[in-house]
Amino acid sequence: EVHLVDSGGGLVQPGGSLRLSCAASGFTFTNHYMDWVRQAPGKGLEWVARITNKPSSYTANYAASVKGRFTISRDDSKNSLSLQMNSLRTEDTAVYYCTRDAFTALDVWGQGTMVTVSS
Amino acid sequence: QSALTQPPSVSGSPGQSVTISCTGTTTDVGGYNYVSWYQQHPGKAPKLMIYEVSKRPSGVPDRFSGSKSGNTASLTVSGLQADDEADYYCNSYAGSNNFVFGGGTKLTVL
Repeated sequence: EVHLVDSGGGLVQPGGSLRLSCAASGFTFTNHYMDWVRQAPGKGLEWVARITNKPSSYTANYAASVKGRFTISRDDSKNSLSLQMNSLRTEDTAVYYCTRDAFTALDVWGQGTMVTVSS
Repeated sequence: QSALTQPPSVSGSPGQSVTISCTGTTTDVGGYNYVSWYQQHPGKAPKLMIYEVSKRPSGVPDRFSGSKSGNTASLTVSGLQADDEADYYCNSYAGSNNFVFGGGTKLTVL
């Protein structure tokens, strides 16, 4: 069964850092692009970042709201995806979802991990 | 990249049909046939319902259908059932490995 498990969320002060992880199973991780999507409390979905696969040079792209602060990465040997979040702001408070990217849609989603940025 | 425009809410009675619109620009919805739709029940992760404008993933009922005209995509849910009550989000590829979501629409089954 295809499965994504998000982890690493928690409470962090403004200006702090946090690293999210996503463990993938049930599919050939190396073949797929992967993305992070977030959802602030009571709000809609916001695409955060995308990383391509090895044939596409592991290219990373970011939403303007996180560019320069967040870094998406992957470890194909461990079937894992990460999101390093620095200089966190209160507006980064959200549930963060790891998603499998089928090139034209996000076809598998993790259960989400909550990040709260507050003093 | 601005969010795609969706109506905040739609409603319909069981058995009826409803349509949710998703309006973008020529740089996203109008520029690519890569519009997808997601269903989200409260407290749950989103689920892919439609991809590439009108294709259904395996397991999604054919009561769900998608279309696009110009810069506006639409999701139609026919034969409404109680379990269809959820939030629905559209998404479009916006070029340069970027995606953009709509603001979401709450579907209420009366």
